[in-house]
Amino acid sequence: NAGVMQNPRHLVRRRGQEARLRCSPVKGHSHVYWYRQLPEEGLKFMVYLQKENIIDESGMPKERFSAEFPKEGPSILRIQQVVRGDSAAYFCASSRQGAYEQYFGPGTRLTVT
Amino acid sequence: GENVGLHLPTLSVQEGDNSIINCAYSNSASDYFIWYKQESGKGPQFIIDIRSNMDKRQGQRVTVLLNKTVKHLSLQIAATQPGDSAVYFCAEKQNAGNMLTFGGGTRLMVKP
Repeated sequence: NAGVMQNPRHLVRRRGQEARLRCSPVKGHSHVYWYRQLPEEGLKFMVYLQKENIIDESGMPKERFSAEFPKEGPSILRIQQVVRGDSAAYFCASSRQGAYEQYFGPGTRLTVT
Repeated sequence: GENVGLHLPTLSVQEGDNSIINCAYSNSASDYFIWYKQESGKGPQFIIDIRSNMDKRQGQRVTVLLNKTVKHLSLQIAATQPGDSAVYFCAEKQNAGNMLTFGGGTRLMVKP
């Protein structure tokens, strides 16, 4: 069984460009979470989505960041007009309906130059 | 609490010894806790979980202890092996919502 898949694994963007990060959850999982991790720190929650719905976006910056989980296809985390402070590892996790345990993907390492 | 911008605390143990990694959580409303292992360049890997109505849970070579009175969580690894070297994070879930709040992490180094 494939776990959570994320791509790209590494992404380099210049300041002002857009970054699109993709996440395919574990087959059968309907809940997706995005987290951000800075070096030597724990993961910080950003957003929680179910199919076609944003359930909790309390950790998402108000500007430039958006997320979606369409009926078909992967979840997308979109960062517009990236700045150097956006450089981090972005992890996606998924869980089954009614389950608490979240399984993480390998992450996308975003570098803004 | 959160360790922002601080170096990770490190636990160094000899191969074959037992390891104990500790975590203090802040929210008495948390009802579910998980330990994750993260190797360099990889995503967090689920190790073991425990619900707040329990105080101990055992897995293969790992045991999690929960002390709700002092809001303390620990992970015990028996007969630590070089492959156990990684950063270990505890995470808590509040009883309202599904998001996980992660602790700052502990780096475990196993000496052969």
